[in-house]
Amino acid sequence: DVKVTQSSRYLVKRTGEKVFLECVQDMDHENMFWYRQDPGLGLRLIYFSYDVKMKEKGDIPEGYSVSREKKERFSLILESASTNQTSMYLCASSLLARPYYGYTFGSGTRLTVV
Amino acid sequence: AQTVTQSQPEMSVQEAETVTLSCTYDTSESDYYLFWYKQPPSRQMILVIRQEAYKQQNATENRFSVNFQKAAKSFSLKISDSQLGDAAMYFCAYTSLNYGGSQGNLIFGKGTKLSVKP
Repeated sequence: DVKVTQSSRYLVKRTGEKVFLECVQDMDHENMFWYRQDPGLGLRLIYFSYDVKMKEKGDIPEGYSVSREKKERFSLILESASTNQTSMYLCASSLLARPYYGYTFGSGTRLTVV
Repeated sequence: AQTVTQSQPEMSVQEAETVTLSCTYDTSESDYYLFWYKQPPSRQMILVIRQEAYKQQNATENRFSVNFQKAAKSFSLKISDSQLGDAAMYFCAYTSLNYGGSQGNLIFGKGTKLSVKP
């Protein structure tokens, strides 16, 4: 089974802290994605990556950065957490040039910034 | 730009009955894929069913089937014999076959929350 693992299920951080959300996939997928999910807004793409050390901005990149040093790991970084970044964060991965298979998702990290 | 619209934020169905979730999309392309994902309270997004635009036959997976109307750009999900475990958020998604850059990314609707009453 393809697995996408997010390191934390729940996280509580203080305003101004630097926050790392980690995502690891074990199926050699080239593509990796970070979304945030908020009620009524659906899934919004923050950043994505098609290859190691490569990143592209999604729809809402402000306040976030990412790192992809290894193919299997894609990290989302909140440089200085703010309360409006309280949300559910979902990581996903997919095969490059194989849109038929869709995405495989992690089980999400619910982040609360206080 | 492609968009996906789910016009029903919430739906409710009685156990063992049938429910249909609506999804419309906008694209100028002729070849693409459409998906329905389920997100139960456990939060794990699961692929329920997919449809290839060049196939006229509607996809089915056990109790789940779609009504794909290409000309109308409509892709509804029908759940037959609803079970308590079907209660979840359901997301409709679209992707093109042009996978250069961001063009191959999935575009999601805002979701429909389905409740199943015993």
